[in-house]
Amino acid sequence: KAGVTQTPRYLIKTRGQQVTLSCSPISGHRSVSWYQQTPGQGLQFLFEYFSETQRNKGNFPGRFSGRQFSNSRSEMNVSTLELGDSALYLCASSLVSGQGPDTQYFGPGTRLTVL
Amino acid sequence: AQSVTQLDSQVPVFEEAPVELRCNYSSSVSVYLFWYVQYPNQGLQLLLKYLSGSTLVKGINGFEAEFNKSQTSFHLRKPSVHISDTAEYFCAVLYSGGYQKVTFGTGTKLQVIP
Repeated sequence: KAGVTQTPRYLIKTRGQQVTLSCSPISGHRSVSWYQQTPGQGLQFLFEYFSETQRNKGNFPGRFSGRQFSNSRSEMNVSTLELGDSALYLCASSLVSGQGPDTQYFGPGTRLTVL
Repeated sequence: AQSVTQLDSQVPVFEEAPVELRCNYSSSVSVYLFWYVQYPNQGLQLLLKYLSGSTLVKGINGFEAEFNKSQTSFHLRKPSVHISDTAEYFCAVLYSGGYQKVTFGTGTKLQVIP
């Protein structure tokens, strides 16, 4: 099976712009989670989607939003970019078997640089 | 609040020496524990996980970890490291009922010295 894919891999934007990142989960996986990774804050949970619904949300401002499509693919959007939004954005998918906790499998990430 | 502590931000070790990377989590009734590895400019790769059963868990690349409920720890060990083990290692906890909201530690950079 193909792994989690994220596009684009690298992105450069300027302050005030908005950006959309895409994540395609492993085939059959129904949950998609997003994380922000920075040297100062480490890995921080953004949100998680399952069946096109946001189930969990981290402590990020409303500029960060996401959605999930019927094929489980997910996008996250950041509006009015700030310098501090520069980070590696990681997407993770999991099966949701309903038989206990599911392991998250991560994509390679999208490196966003805000100038 | 749920938390994961990786006390060592960096661990230098000579090649072929043993290593232990420490991880402690805040206590809860039921937890699931994971170790991930991240190589430069890559995503996270699952090393091993503890869901239930035997407290000694074996993973890929010769790593193992032991779940200690009384000490709320899940330390990662390898008896003999290789240069290729140089990477950053993250401990993660999923609390029962937390859906997929995984809490990660701050990471430990393992530097293997030839």
